[in-house]
Amino acid sequence: EAQVTQNPRYLITVTGKKLTVTCSQNMNHEYMSWYRQDPGLGLRQIYYSMNVEVTDKGDVPEGYKVSRKEKRNFPLILESPSPNQTSLYFCASSLKPAAYEAFFGQGTRLTVV
Amino acid sequence: LAKTTQPISMDSYEGQEVNITCSHNNIATNDYITWYQQFPSQGPRFIIQGYKTKVTNEVASLFIPADRKSSTLSLPRVSLSDTAVYYCLVGDRVNNNDMRFGAGTRLTVKP
Repeated sequence: EAQVTQNPRYLITVTGKKLTVTCSQNMNHEYMSWYRQDPGLGLRQIYYSMNVEVTDKGDVPEGYKVSRKEKRNFPLILESPSPNQTSLYFCASSLKPAAYEAFFGQGTRLTVV
Repeated sequence: LAKTTQPISMDSYEGQEVNITCSHNNIATNDYITWYQQFPSQGPRFIIQGYKTKVTNEVASLFIPADRKSSTLSLPRVSLSDTAVYYCLVGDRVNNNDMRFGAGTRLTVKP
């Protein structure tokens, strides 16, 4: 079954404690991206990756890092989380960006206290 | 990247046909139009995509006029479970490096 898997689904952490949210896809897609969704602000793109070792900033990259060492995995790293990073996070993958069908993960609800 | 404009919200009743229009005046020659559906706390789900005229699948129809400056997502006979946010995206298959979502249209289906 074609899917994008994020882990964990829920996470509560403290300010400053490094964390990683994993994202894996089984469709051999080249394009992967991360979004955060906050009430009233919609889906905002954090980072995207066109292929292995190719990543670029989206609209709200501050405070986040990503890596793309393998095609299937695209982890989101928060080196020093802060309360304003409390949000619902989605990972997505598609064959190519924009004009191809994108598949989204189940979401990770992160709370930073 | 062509900007899209959609109504913020729409209401409908069960069994009605719902049409959501998206305006994309600056659409480029190579751009495709894609619609996604999102339920609360879930990731968006692809509904339909088209380039021109009409596209239909088991879920919806997409109508695109000749000038392609707008598109209309048509949901036949909606049910309560169609209550969701619907997003219209425009982009090409060659040059786009990102996939940005607008505010979307919040559809509420009432009994």
